Amino acid sequence: QKEVEQNSGPLSVPEGAIASLNCTYSDRGSQSFFWYRQYSGKSPELIMSIYSNGDKEDGRFTAQLNKASQYVSLLIRDSQPSDSATYLCAAHTGGFKTIFGAGTRLFVKA
Amino acid sequence: EPEVTQTPSHQVTQMGQEVILRCVPISNHLYFYWYRQILGQKVEFLVSFYNNEISEKSEIFDDQFSVERPDGSNFTLKIRSTKLEDSAMYFCASTERDYEQYFGPGTRLTVT
Repeated sequence: QKEVEQNSGPLSVPEGAIASLNCTYSDRGSQSFFWYRQYSGKSPELIMSIYSNGDKEDGRFTAQLNKASQYVSLLIRDSQPSDSATYLCAAHTGGFKTIFGAGTRLFVKA
Repeated sequence: EPEVTQTPSHQVTQMGQEVILRCVPISNHLYFYWYRQILGQKVEFLVSFYNNEISEKSEIFDDQFSVERPDGSNFTLKIRSTKLEDSAMYFCASTERDYEQYFGPGTRLTVT
């Protein structure tokens, strides 16, 4: 069974701090990885995609991928209260299937 | 900015009834997906669709489910005989390539 695992949290950080979210995946054949943000009652919103080992930065967000360790992370710098949401890690497993983790709830305290 | 749309936003149906959930993907996208999310649980893959046929489906997507692209814009999910456990949010997603998927706002299905 192909799985994506995340710590459910909640992760609580003060405003302005760095939030660090982590994810592991079981299928070594996975090639593409994504971070989505989901506000309560809303649909997932794509934040970042990463396809190769290393770091990828986009504004306040940095995604990191380590395929040898089957590990993906997301750093949010200068966290804002509006960043409070559930963050979903997803792995595209090859073929046409994407597996989502259960998500990590993030609270940013003002 | 183009977006995926879904109708209806909320559907209430009785157990055993058929429902059709509708999606309009982003116009130049070629790959389409349905997911469901039971309240408080993870987003679960149901099916992917490309070139007018199912590319992959999960074990959830049994004979009660079907998908169709009846015209050049709509993408539908049909549940033939709904069960109580089908109550969930159903999300449609689309992508130009088989990578970054953009989600619609979802349809909340309530089966009574």
